[in-house]
Amino acid sequence: GENVEQHPSTLSVQEGDSAVIKCTYSDSASNYFPWYKQELGKRPQLIIDIRSNVGEKKDQRIAVTLNKTAKHFSLHITETQPEDSAVYFCAATLNTGFQKLVFGTGTRLLVSP
Amino acid sequence: DAGVTQSPTHLIKTRGQQVTLRCSPKSGHDTVSWYQQALGQGPQFIFQYYEEEERQRGNFPDRFSGHQFPNYSSELNVNALLLGDSALYLCASSLGTGSRLGEKLFFGSGTQLSVL
Repeated sequence: GENVEQHPSTLSVQEGDSAVIKCTYSDSASNYFPWYKQELGKRPQLIIDIRSNVGEKKDQRIAVTLNKTAKHFSLHITETQPEDSAVYFCAATLNTGFQKLVFGTGTRLLVSP
Repeated sequence: DAGVTQSPTHLIKTRGQQVTLRCSPKSGHDTVSWYQQALGQGPQFIFQYYEEEERQRGNFPDRFSGHQFPNYSSELNVNALLLGDSALYLCASSLGTGSRLGEKLFFGSGTQLSVL
């Protein structure tokens, strides 16, 4: 079955810096890769996602890149702000119509003013 | 437009007891998935319901069971509770099957279950 590894487990940056979180997946058939942000005590929120037929996707300050050959995908946050502080989870799935997301272990991002 | 709602928000049980958690999907969604999130971990897939049937199941014992009602709401039941069942239980809803729209999962705020 699918296995997703995520690193780093914690990431501290200064406000305005960029942050990069990396994930690797094991199942080459996986074709959908979402990223979720979870603030303390709150629900995971979908912030960006990418399908396997696309190499990069951008939405304002966040972007995701996918390297299918290496089975890597990464989340990039530019111009970080204190409100970006949260736990970020990557996930992967083979979209057969019945979604079963396999999540990474999470990255705690701390943005200091 | 109501999002995914779960009840109760918190629950305390003792070992051996049974618990039922409830979920109402986002308006217009017909598929409900349940995830278990242990402290400091990513969510783990329990099972998914569509058209009132369990369509996929993760690596969870039969003590975990569920149900989906005609209005698409769902219940998660856990029997013979163990200390290790203490976790945040998340419900996620999505739309349809076999379509790209079904990819996007929207999560509820979860039920925090503590087993003493």
